[in-house]
Amino acid sequence: NAGVTQTPKFRILKIGQSMTLQCTQDMNHNYMYWYRQDPGMGLKLIYYSVGAGITDKGEVPNGYNVSRSTTEDFPLRLELAAPSQTSVYFCASIPGSGGGNQPQHFGDGTRLSIL
Amino acid sequence: AQKITQTQPGMFVQEKEAVTLDCTYDTSDPSYGLFWYKQPSSGEMIFLIYQGSYDQQNATEGRYSLNFQKARKSANLVISASQLGDSAMYFCAMREGMPGSARQLTFGSGTQLTVLP
Repeated sequence: NAGVTQTPKFRILKIGQSMTLQCTQDMNHNYMYWYRQDPGMGLKLIYYSVGAGITDKGEVPNGYNVSRSTTEDFPLRLELAAPSQTSVYFCASIPGSGGGNQPQHFGDGTRLSIL
Repeated sequence: AQKITQTQPGMFVQEKEAVTLDCTYDTSDPSYGLFWYKQPSSGEMIFLIYQGSYDQQNATEGRYSLNFQKARKSANLVISASQLGDSAMYFCAMREGMPGSARQLTFGSGTQLTVLP
């Protein structure tokens, strides 16, 4: 079972470039999340989705966009990269049904540097 | 106001001793859950333990236990018999609202634990 897979693992962008961070899960989870983690800090929620076709903003959505056309995939797009977006990005998922004790399953992260 | 506060940026513990990592939270929601995650230097997020707001007993998972004091809004992680492999960053996180919420987590800033040989 692959779980939550994020690609790429590392990327360097120039200011103003665009890119898409990929996230795929094979657990048939309905709920998916994108977080960013700045150096020495906790994770902050960027966007989340409770099912295909449904997305909503988290705490720090500016500069990002998401889409959720399938249950499996939840890509995160940076349109005009800025140095402030240098961070480690984590994708996570949970089934969505059942009890509230379900821990989020995290991917291994994408380390992104904007120069 | 911070929803999750971890006041210990760094902690040291001697191998085989117990250590407590502090976490206080702020919510007016009667239904919430508290999670602890471990992040080793390799970067992945590893779930350790969960405590629900309606749980009557403190959660335990192997060497991990949660000292849950609801009235004081604290959910401290206790690691018994520390091992060198416990050296990592530890995050406390809260999920508010059930049922029907999107179950997103709010994280604290973390505590860097170093286990000394």
